[in-house]
Amino acid sequence: SQQGEEDPQALSIQEGENATMNCSYKTSINNLQWYRQNSGRGLVHLILIRSNEREKHSGRLRVTLDTSKKSSSLLITASRAADTASYFCATEKANQAGTALIFGKGTTLSVSS
Amino acid sequence: DAGVTQSPTHLIKTRGQQVTLRCSPKSGHDTVSWYQQALGQGPQFIFQYYEEEERQRGNFPDRFSGHQFPNYSSELNVNALLLGDSALYLCASSLVSGGRQETQYFGPGTRLLVL
Repeated sequence: SQQGEEDPQALSIQEGENATMNCSYKTSINNLQWYRQNSGRGLVHLILIRSNEREKHSGRLRVTLDTSKKSSSLLITASRAADTASYFCATEKANQAGTALIFGKGTTLSVSS
Repeated sequence: DAGVTQSPTHLIKTRGQQVTLRCSPKSGHDTVSWYQQALGQGPQFIFQYYEEEERQRGNFPDRFSGHQFPNYSSELNVNALLLGDSALYLCASSLVSGGRQETQYFGPGTRLLVL
């Protein structure tokens, strides 16, 4: 089952514009992570935000977390063609033995020059 | 410092066959997780191995099995392949530190096509 759901499913913008994608989840979390995937290859970890954090920055990335609304957003500022990829949010499903990442279906971002 | 590696990169099998996929974790990592990603979908958790034992399992049938070796590398085995098993199989490694699992780092994946 998928815990997180990204919105929109697809986003097309011009280079230099900002891109915002959203993620909603269903159950309480310890943290939420964002990953990028280029053209059906492996996932690259972008940023992790913990449940007691509201905002986090990493370079051109800004992530917010609203635990009361069970939602997060990823903002990419001044986008570049190289940002073209699929972006996934992931939450953790943990038990005493291990931790699984539960992903949404992703947002496909296309940045044209 | 080598990242997570997977082999093979691509594989074609026919229905009913068996397949073995391999993963070497990032240096210093002791935990390996496997995910299946169908086209246009997000990755789905299959199972996780730590200290050579399966620690957590997703909603996958027993046809999916795995193993972790003393050097922390891992194999994913799928028996009696179905057309629906066609997907990108991703391996992720991480480190358990202070009883807590750190960030998972993914390999490039193995693309399996079942005909």
